[in-house]
Amino acid sequence: AQKVTQAQTEISVVEKEDVTLDCVYETRDTTYYLFWYKQPPSGELVFLIRRNSFDEQNEISGRYSWNFQKSTSSFNFTITASQVVDSAVYFCALSEPGSTPLVFGKGTRLSVIA
Amino acid sequence: SAVISQKPSRDICQRGTSLTIQCQVDSQVTMMFWYRQQPGQSLTLIATANQGSEATYESGFVIDKFPISRPNLTFSTLTVSNMSPEDSSIYLCSVEEGRLGETQYFGPGTRLLVL
Repeated sequence: AQKVTQAQTEISVVEKEDVTLDCVYETRDTTYYLFWYKQPPSGELVFLIRRNSFDEQNEISGRYSWNFQKSTSSFNFTITASQVVDSAVYFCALSEPGSTPLVFGKGTRLSVIA
Repeated sequence: SAVISQKPSRDICQRGTSLTIQCQVDSQVTMMFWYRQQPGQSLTLIATANQGSEATYESGFVIDKFPISRPNLTFSTLTVSNMSPEDSSIYLCSVEEGRLGETQYFGPGTRLLVL
């Protein structure tokens, strides 16, 4: 069975600090997808990134970066120089190929204080 | 990515009543998913809706309580029937995109409060 664990329930940082959100996953599939979504207070779920299981290259997009390590089944998300607008709940999720639903972690609530 | 809209965006309902939530996509999609997010919780899949067939429900969700329609490739509805305060949640629809359906995008959600 698939499982996603986000051990950090809540994180609070001061603006401009770097912060890393942890995600550990379990799956028996050799092919799978990993995701991060952002849910601001307004409630919509915003897609941030998808990573394929066969692509372990780390990715950077502006202040966001993702570290995928199959050896530790982790897919961590780092925000550099955090801003108040980064305050949200962040969800890590996992799916198999071929029209399968997402399995979500419980989410990490990030509060960035000015 | 597809543009997804949901109606209503929020509602306050009395217990025992029913509410139908609409999900509209600006392009044709094969699979649509309905999720529930209870207050302070993560997302839980209610059902998968494929056009032209019955929706497939996850454990703990039944058709009598959450009937789903999928009349065409751009539209779906979820009804929350005989509501109780425990049904107070955000309900989100999602669609998948990509050649292998590898990425899911979500609608803005419907915030439901049952009194």
